[in-house]
Amino acid sequence: GAGVSQSPSNKVTEKGKDVELRCDPISGHTALYWYRQSLGQGLEFLIYFQGNSAPDKSGLPSDRFSAERTGGSVSTLTIQRTQQEDSAVYLCASSLASSSGSTDTQYFGPGTRLTVL
Amino acid sequence: AQSVTQLGSHVSVSEGALVLLRCNYSSSVPPYLFWYVQYPNQGLQLLLKYTSAATLVKGINGFEAEFKKSETSFHLTKPSAHMSDAAEYFCAVKSSGDKLTFGTGTRLAVRP
Repeated sequence: GAGVSQSPSNKVTEKGKDVELRCDPISGHTALYWYRQSLGQGLEFLIYFQGNSAPDKSGLPSDRFSAERTGGSVSTLTIQRTQQEDSAVYLCASSLASSSGSTDTQYFGPGTRLTVL
Repeated sequence: AQSVTQLGSHVSVSEGALVLLRCNYSSSVPPYLFWYVQYPNQGLQLLLKYTSAATLVKGINGFEAEFKKSETSFHLTKPSAHMSDAAEYFCAVKSSGDKLTFGTGTRLAVRP
């Protein structure tokens, strides 16, 4: 079946512009996660959705970052007024997990490579 | 807070040799531990996971890992390396809020 998909695969933007990154999770997966992978910081958690709610937003680095999920499916990560330090690969993952503490596997998408000039 | 440490950012082995990638964890509660692999320009793929059942966990592509509580370790091994195993490997622990906390990764090179 289809895996997690993300779009665009690559995004180049100018400093100060807003960007939107999209994630389509595996059908039926209630949990959705955003991570960021950068040279300096490695793999970092950003935000976790259970359904349309985000019980854990602790990894969002600043108020320029926001995310939403609608219909328990697609999620959008928005970065406002992008900075050069936002350049990274943004990874989305989904899992079946219907409750906290589940050991269900997180399946990752291929990521969106964001470059801020 | 839970965390993992991966010793060795780069490991190089000959084809056919043993692969050993090290991961130590820190956790105040019984941890759930994972190994993921990342091939160039791809996302992360789960190799195996420990969820407090058997301490020796077998994964895909011939990899396995053993959970050793006394050593707080979860090292990844494969008896015989293939060229196709060249990739970056990440150890992770499941933290509060269901997020994964990753180690810094180990890049495995396989020499012909």
